[in-house]
Parts: sequence; structure tokens; C-alpha cells
Amino acid sequence: QSALTQPVSVSGSPGQSITISCSGTSSDIGTYNVVSWYQQHPGKGPKLVIYEATKRPSGVSDRFSGSKSGTTASLTISGLQVEDEADYFCCSYAGDITFYVFGTGTRVTVL
Amino acid sequence: QVQLLQSETEVRGPGASMKVSCKAFGYTLTTYGINWVRQAPGQGLEWVAWIGSYNGDRKYSQRFQGRVTVTTNSSTNTAYLEVGRLRPDDTAVYFCARENQWLPDAFDLWGQGTMVAVSS
Repeated sequence: QSALTQPVSVSGSPGQSITISCSGTSSDIGTYNVVSWYQQHPGKGPKLVIYEATKRPSGVSDRFSGSKSGTTASLTISGLQVEDEADYFCCSYAGDITFYVFGTGTRVTVL
Repeated sequence: QVQLLQSETEVRGPGASMKVSCKAFGYTLTTYGINWVRQAPGQGLEWVAWIGSYNGDRKYSQRFQGRVTVTTNSSTNTAYLEVGRLRPDDTAVYFCARENQWLPDAFDLWGQGTMVAVSS
């Protein structure tokens, strides 16, 4: 099972919106509606920002939103802020043999 | 405060074994599942294993079959990941991450990570 494919980097200016894509297959994103997204600052453990493709955990800013279409999921950060600069990973359940597959990761830079 | 606190850095030689701990604070460990995820230097995340709440069911990534064991100790509220027959490519930061039944297939609380270095 290969990792989900994400762009290496995405950048934007403060206040702008950016979108990170996460491309999978019919064995993961295309079958299971349980894509999650994680934010990771350098030297820290990841933080959950989206689950079940579109839902936000309590306490996560509403500037973070998720969507899914077919075998691709997306994370949008609106009103980009300096503190959003971090690595972002998607994750999908992939069945009872592979269990979970993560994305390759995207570095978000705030210009 | 609800948190997962992991053990410190481990350095091992090839062929050795290691055991990382993950202690839960602010909640009872066995009421939630625990996943283990690793991150090689400069790389992405890789799921390793899971131990379920209550009944202690276990699941392992096929890549680690036979080398990895996950356990919990309810008296100390601590989860453990043990990896045997270590190889240099096992060098990574190992994270424990809580599975929340209200947030299906998502990991809502993570430990700070434990660096494991495998080198001769």
C-alpha cells in the first residue's frame, strides 16, 4: 500500500486561502469516508484538525475545512495566519489488512 | 490536563530490541484505543500498530509482523511498544496516538514522540 500523494509545498500570504490535496485510490479514500488531517509543527507531535473528511474537532479554528471527492481529499485553510506555517498530513483508513495510510506531507509556508 | 507522555530517547545497535512507553494523564488509558505511528528523519508518518480499549485486541502493520508487540498496563495507565530485531531503517520518532470512538478512525491526542536511533 503506497502513501497518499500530497504536494510537497504550498505557500500563501497572510489572509489568503490555500488548499492542500491528498490523492488516494479506490482502496482507501475512494472507499472509506474517514479521511483525517493533521498539523505538525517542527519537533512536535501532530494535531488533529479534520476528521471524517469534513468535520472539525472541538477547539480547532473554523478557518480549517475539509472536503472529499472520489479518491481525492482536500484541506483548505482560509485567512492564513503565521501560526499556520507547519507540515500537514492526510490519513485514510485502508481496510483490515493495511489499516491506515498517511499522506506524503505538505509544508505550508506563510510568506 | 489530558496528555500522553512518552519515554526518552533510545539508542540501540542492530539486532537489539527496544521498548517505548506512553503514559496517559487525565483519563483512563484502557477506555480508548492506542495507535503507534512512526516518522523517519525528514519523512512522513507511518502507522505501526493498534491496541484496542477494554479487550486489548491488537493489530499490526504487515511491515512489522513478528517484530512488534503492543501492550498496556492498566495499573500504571501506560501503553508500550516493543520492537525487536532492530534495523538501521527503524531509526525514527515513534508516537503514541489515542483513538477516540467519537471521532472514527482519527487520532485525537498524541504523545510528544520518542526518538529511537539504531546504529552500530
